[in-house]
Amino acid sequence: GNSVTQMEGPVTLSEEAFLTINCTYTATGYPSLFWYVQYPGEGLQLLLKATKADDKGSNKGFEATYRKETTSFHLEKGSVQVSDSAVYFCALRGRSASKIIFGSGTRLSIRP
Amino acid sequence: EAGVTQFPSHSVIEKGQTVTLRCDPISGHDNLYWYRRVMGKEIKFLLHFVKESKQDESGMPNNRFLAERTGGTYSTLKVQPAELEDSGVYFCASSQGAPAVETQYFGPGTRLLVL
Repeated sequence: GNSVTQMEGPVTLSEEAFLTINCTYTATGYPSLFWYVQYPGEGLQLLLKATKADDKGSNKGFEATYRKETTSFHLEKGSVQVSDSAVYFCALRGRSASKIIFGSGTRLSIRP
Repeated sequence: EAGVTQFPSHSVIEKGQTVTLRCDPISGHDNLYWYRRVMGKEIKFLLHFVKESKQDESGMPNNRFLAERTGGTYSTLKVQPAELEDSGVYFCASSQGAPAVETQYFGPGTRLLVL
């Protein structure tokens, strides 16, 4: 079945550091891929998405590229801020499916 | 526009008791989903309503869980009787339009602790 594997946390970085959170997936066909973020005390928010191979999703300085050949969707940001501290979830949705399949989440903490 | 709201935000109950969680989707959203995150693991799908009908309930863990969406507006998720392993965060999400295409908007979650 479809599944998502993402980098275990927690991840702690200093402000302005480069961030990568690895995510790989297993799926039949061509799923849509997502990164969701949960800030402290808030609900899940869609951070970015990509719906086909080689698409790049981007938002708030974060980027992720849909790599079919490596079945990956790694999240990157060039310079993190304290306000980026949150839990990040990689996820997929099958081409004709409604339910979203999530990874286990990666807690990110940014030190000033 | 109000987002997805969930009530209560936290619930602490004893094993064997009953708890009912409520979700109010974004107004006009026909699709409503329940998910849960248990023990800090991945968030797992429970079920999907289209209006008042259960479209997919393949993720419901067992018959102690009962979801309803009378009138196609808000939804409730009842756990009866609650067990220790039911502890976790229960998320609700809603969307409008084609379920396989449209963005799902999530609520803040209900944190359930069963003692």
